[in-house]
Amino acid sequence: GAGVSQSPSNKVTEKGKDVELRCDPISGHTALYWYRQSLGQGLEFLIYFQGNSAPDKSGLPSDRFSAERTGGSVSTLTIQRTQQEDSAVYLCASSFGFGRGGYEQFFGPGTRLTVL
Amino acid sequence: GESVGLHLPTLSVQEGDNSIINCAYSNSASDYFIWYKQESGKGPQFIIDIRSNMDKRQGQRVTVLLNKTVKHLSLQIAATQPGDSAVYFCADSYTGNQFYFGTGTSLTVIP
Repeated sequence: GAGVSQSPSNKVTEKGKDVELRCDPISGHTALYWYRQSLGQGLEFLIYFQGNSAPDKSGLPSDRFSAERTGGSVSTLTIQRTQQEDSAVYLCASSFGFGRGGYEQFFGPGTRLTVL
Repeated sequence: GESVGLHLPTLSVQEGDNSIINCAYSNSASDYFIWYKQESGKGPQFIIDIRSNMDKRQGQRVTVLLNKTVKHLSLQIAATQPGDSAVYFCADSYTGNQFYFGTGTSLTVIP
């Protein structure tokens, strides 16, 4: 079946512009995650959605970052007034569920954001 | 805060040899651990997971060992192949929701 898809695959923007990154999770997956990966670094947790519960936003680095998940499916990560330090690969992942014990996360290919 | 780190940032092995990639975590409450493989330009791909009530789990050519006493995790790859060349990440979770990733180990397989 189809995996997690993300769009666009690459985004180049100018400093100060807003950007929207999209994630389509695997059908039936109730949990959705956003991560940021800077060059040569590990994954930095940004935000987590589970079903209709309030999202866990504890990883968002500033109030310029926000995310929505509509209808429990597609998610959009928005970065306002982009800064050069926002340049990174933004990865989305989905899983069947949540809770202690964890569930395997399936990752999309990522969106490479470059802020000039 | 959570700290998940890898002992070696790079590892080179000869094709056919076994590879061992290590990982340390700091939170004794972590109860679920995953190893991911990330090839260039792609998202991480699940390799194997292990829960805290186990100390060893085997998959196809891979074995994960968990030592909760010293908070150490390792990934063993048997008969390493060129296709195994990638960056390997460990991740742990103690909330069941958030996962904390290490910085990764770059594995290079020498033909």
